Amino acid sequence: AQTVTQSQPEMSVQEAETVTLSCTYDTSENNYYLFWYKQPPSRQMILVIRQEAYKQQNATENRFSVNFQKAAKSFSLKISDSQLGDTAMYFCAFETSGSRLTFGEGTQLTVNP
Amino acid sequence: DSGVTQTPKHLITATGQRVTLRCSPRSGDLSVYWYQQSLDQGLQFLIQYYNGEERAKGNILERFSAQQFPDLHSELNLSSLELGDSALYFCASSVRDRGQETQYFGPGTRLLVL
Repeated sequence: AQTVTQSQPEMSVQEAETVTLSCTYDTSENNYYLFWYKQPPSRQMILVIRQEAYKQQNATENRFSVNFQKAAKSFSLKISDSQLGDTAMYFCAFETSGSRLTFGEGTQLTVNP
Repeated sequence: DSGVTQTPKHLITATGQRVTLRCSPRSGDLSVYWYQQSLDQGLQFLIQYYNGEERAKGNILERFSAQQFPDLHSELNLSSLELGDSALYFCASSVRDRGQETQYFGPGTRLLVL
């Protein structure tokens, strides 16, 4: 069974600064996908970024980037130039193709003005 | 807007009752997933349907059932409701993009059992 662990229940960052959220996972699969979802106070689940395990290049989406370390089974999310609208719960998630998502416990990020 | 719709947005009911949650996937998406988000259990996968057929089951109680209809919308039925069933229920549908399935979530249905 796959497990996903987010060891930081809460984090805070000043506006315009950079913050990194940690995620580790455990799996015996070789082909899989990793995601970060954001859940703002509205409770909507919003896809932030995704990474295919077979790709060595780290994914980037505007101010969001990941540091994917396959051997270490680590998948951290870096948010650059933090904005107030980035305040949300962030969930790391794991998936094998066409199957369920397994989520971590979440990290509550607060961006302070 | 993810393109996935869920109704109702909020539902308040009493213990022992039965409710039905509805989900319409994004146009063209064949897979529908149901997840439950509660305070004590976090986000948990309940069940997946693909093109009308059940594909995978997760931590879904026997009191819960689901189906996907020919027009691909899905319904999650919760019966004999208990206080602990109070949660946010999400539906997600998936699209294959650049060879990868990505799940997009609906806004959720907030269920409160009193």
